Amino acid sequence: AQKITQTQPGMFVQEKEAVTLDCTYDTSDPSYGLFWYKQPSSGEMIFLIYQGSYDQQNATEGRYSLNFQKARKSANLVISASQLGDSAMYFCAMREAENFNKFYFGSGTKLNVKP
Amino acid sequence: DGGITQSPKYLFRKEGQNVTLSCEQNLNHDAMYWYRQDPGQGLRLIYYSQIVNDFQKGDIAEGYSVSREKKESFPLTVTSAQKNPTAFYLCASSPNTGTLNTEAFFGQGTRLTVV
Repeated sequence: AQKITQTQPGMFVQEKEAVTLDCTYDTSDPSYGLFWYKQPSSGEMIFLIYQGSYDQQNATEGRYSLNFQKARKSANLVISASQLGDSAMYFCAMREAENFNKFYFGSGTKLNVKP
Repeated sequence: DGGITQSPKYLFRKEGQNVTLSCEQNLNHDAMYWYRQDPGQGLRLIYYSQIVNDFQKGDIAEGYSVSREKKESFPLTVTSAQKNPTAFYLCASSPNTGTLNTEAFFGQGTRLTVV
């Protein structure tokens, strides 16, 4: 079974609007961490935000926030006030305590911000 | 500047040839990883290493080999046994802090094309 599922291959959003990128995960480990990365066309992976399985509050980092619904095993990324520079691939990833040194990645969502 | 350096950025290989991708980090990280990225498939783990002189196979290790003789270096060899090596290869590292909230840091990637 896939550890991380991203069901939106591509998304469009109007500049200055908010957008939600979906991520669901599969694990039986009660202790895990969830990550979101941005990959511009240049190829480098940029870390955006982290959410721990025991964190009581949703993580936020500037315009990025994570909508963490533990019971549904979802960790959606919300980008507020989209900018043209947000156009990129976005990847959701997870690491589990019992497989600490493995990061599992989803297939990604390509976000296009329209002016 | 601390970071991960991958070289070369672009690499062309003839069928039947072995080729080695370089990955060097000066972040003093214990763990290092190699991922392969194909369109629509996200990042797939090839090999990872937690300490010097030790490494483990990831999900798609067939046709690849690695070495970890120095903490800073984790080269990946794509052998002639890899049937479809054309892809984007990403090297990453992460400190062994024992905490889940430590992200993986990535290099700029190497795009390998078989000609």
